[in-house]
Amino acid sequence: QVQLVESGGGVVQPGRSLRLSCAASGFSFSSYTFHWVRQAPGKGLEWVGVMSNDGYTKYYADSVRGRFTVSRDNFKSTLSLQMDSLRAEDTAVYYCARQIERAVWVIDFWGQGTLVTVSS
Amino acid sequence: QLVLTQTPSASASLGASVKLTCTLGSGHSSNVIVWHQQQPQKGPRYLMKLNSDGSHIKGDGIPDRFSGSSSGAERYLTISSLQSEDEADYYCQTWGPGILVFGGGTKLTVL
Repeated sequence: QVQLVESGGGVVQPGRSLRLSCAASGFSFSSYTFHWVRQAPGKGLEWVGVMSNDGYTKYYADSVRGRFTVSRDNFKSTLSLQMDSLRAEDTAVYYCARQIERAVWVIDFWGQGTLVTVSS
Repeated sequence: QLVLTQTPSASASLGASVKLTCTLGSGHSSNVIVWHQQQPQKGPRYLMKLNSDGSHIKGDGIPDRFSGSSSGAERYLTISSLQSEDEADYYCQTWGPGILVFGGGTKLTVL
């Protein structure tokens, strides 16, 4: 069955870096565009960024542009989020999410998330 | 501006129906939106893609009790025969050039 499993979350000090991973299975990973979405404690969903299936097209939210980088390895069916210069306000559960089809930004499947806490 | 507005909370009785609303910002009344459900302590789940004409495509396994409709800039999610497991946060989502947007979410309480 379709699965997205995030990992790599934890506690990190402000200004430091962290790398999240999302392992996909049960479908053809290389055919899909993927998003990262986060949710601060007790808050709503916030889009972080997106990468196309071929890795050539990327967009980021203003709040993370220049600090976060999305990448993927289609051979390993893995999506990654490199987070640098972390701030307290980056504390959230981070979800990877699959987009239903090219050019139609409909998210049709979500992972269970991994918690990132930025604190000294 | 591409924004989605949702009422923060709603409530309805077990077995009753409820209609949740997502309003598109000015100039975006033809946008497709998506409804997602997030049960307590869980990741979100895709419910349906909803077009401006009210046609919708539901995700696998989504019960017939869930339906969508549209009117102008408003997009609706109707849940009939409410069950306890429908108590959750509901988010609408849309997109524009290089950006994806979520509404603030509606917390549904089943009484």
